Amino acid sequence: GAVVSQHPSRVICKSGTSVKIECRSLDFQATTMFWYRQFPKKSLMLMATSNEGSKATYEQGVEKDKFLINHASLTLSTLTVTSAHPEDSSFYICSASPGQGARGYGYTFGSGTRLTVV
Amino acid sequence: AQSVAQPEDQVNVAEGNPLTVKCTYSVSGNPYLFWYVQYPNRGLQFLLKYITGDNLVKGSYGFEAEFNKSQTSFHLKKPSALVSDSALYFCAVRGATGGFKTIFGAGTRLFVKA
Repeated sequence: GAVVSQHPSRVICKSGTSVKIECRSLDFQATTMFWYRQFPKKSLMLMATSNEGSKATYEQGVEKDKFLINHASLTLSTLTVTSAHPEDSSFYICSASPGQGARGYGYTFGSGTRLTVV
Repeated sequence: AQSVAQPEDQVNVAEGNPLTVKCTYSVSGNPYLFWYVQYPNRGLQFLLKYITGDNLVKGSYGFEAEFNKSQTSFHLKKPSALVSDSALYFCAVRGATGGFKTIFGAGTRLFVKA
């Protein structure tokens, strides 16, 4: 149980275009999902908290207009990188907790999306 | 503010030897502590967690971790390392405040040599 599916696993796009990444909880409902960015040999940087039915909460320094997050349903959150540039190339990972408000639950992570902007 | 430190960027161990990956934390109130493992180009996998109770927590793949409140540490251990344990390991903490937000350490790369 507690599977999170992330799609696509890899994407290459041209500079200036937009890319959408999907994150789905397959066997549980997630009112809250999280989006991370991972740089080479670096830890995870929390970008934003995606809240179903409301606006996402962005971490300090993350451009809201560039990284659009939509949490349309209890099982789907999307991250759209708008007007992508080479510096946006990275590994993006989503996660959700099947325990909702229970702090004792760990996260289930998607398999990640490798974005390359050329 | 919550914080997690993994003081070692890399740990090298010979197969069959015990391994330890270190983690210290700082939170307000009682911590919820987690260990995750990441294989190349993959998302993270949950290994184990400490919420309350016994300070020694057992998790997946033979890993265990010991919660030490006085030292604010949560070191990951395994009695006998396998080559297949080679991966990137993350310690994470969630405090009594801050909602669901979980803070991750910088990660420690484990190399197990045959």
